[in-house]
Amino acid sequence: KQEVTQIPAALSVPEGENLVLNCSFTDSAIYNLQWFRQDPGKGLTSLLLIQSSQREQTSGRLNASLDKSSGRSTLYIAASQPGDSATYLCALNNQAGTALIFGKGTTLSVSS
Amino acid sequence: GAVVSQHPSWVICKSGTSVKIECRSLDFQATTMFWYRQFPKQSLMLMATSNEGSKATYEQGVEKDKFLINHASLTLSTLTVTSAHPEDSSFYICSAPGGTQPGEQYFGPGTRLTVT
Repeated sequence: KQEVTQIPAALSVPEGENLVLNCSFTDSAIYNLQWFRQDPGKGLTSLLLIQSSQREQTSGRLNASLDKSSGRSTLYIAASQPGDSATYLCALNNQAGTALIFGKGTTLSVSS
Repeated sequence: GAVVSQHPSWVICKSGTSVKIECRSLDFQATTMFWYRQFPKQSLMLMATSNEGSKATYEQGVEKDKFLINHASLTLSTLTVTSAHPEDSSFYICSAPGGTQPGEQYFGPGTRLTVT
């Protein structure tokens, strides 16, 4: 059974720091992997989607990498800002059109 | 881009009553929709897969007689929490496959249910 783990559960950094959020999964036979942002009491905002054949995706200050063989993905946030404070969720599915399996998330706090 | 809406965005109900949550795909058709539940400080857990024109598929441990799912059209799935209890208080989110990238899904904004 696929399991998704995110470490750390919480992270506090000062503004301007670069940081890395980690996601690991137990079954490397994934279809794709996504990173989401969730603000308190709100829904999900999709940040990046990496297909299983891809190694990384970039959007602005965000870069997500995928290493299927080791069962790991990272989300790199450059020059963090207070507005980046949120919970970041890693999710994947094993087949096209199936539901996503989510990690528990990393709650990020960026102080000014 | 495609949008999935949910209604209501929040609801408070008394214990023992039933609550219906709607999930709509606004500019695309969704033969499949997924219903997730998120407890405070927890991640999203899949409850069931809603299939247009057929019965929903429920995850292990989810009571199908308590969480009634109806997917009567290609743009609407409903989740009815029957005889709600305080332990059903949670954040309910639906999603539907769609988009330009394989495996992409669109998520609704969620419904906050509080049972008193």
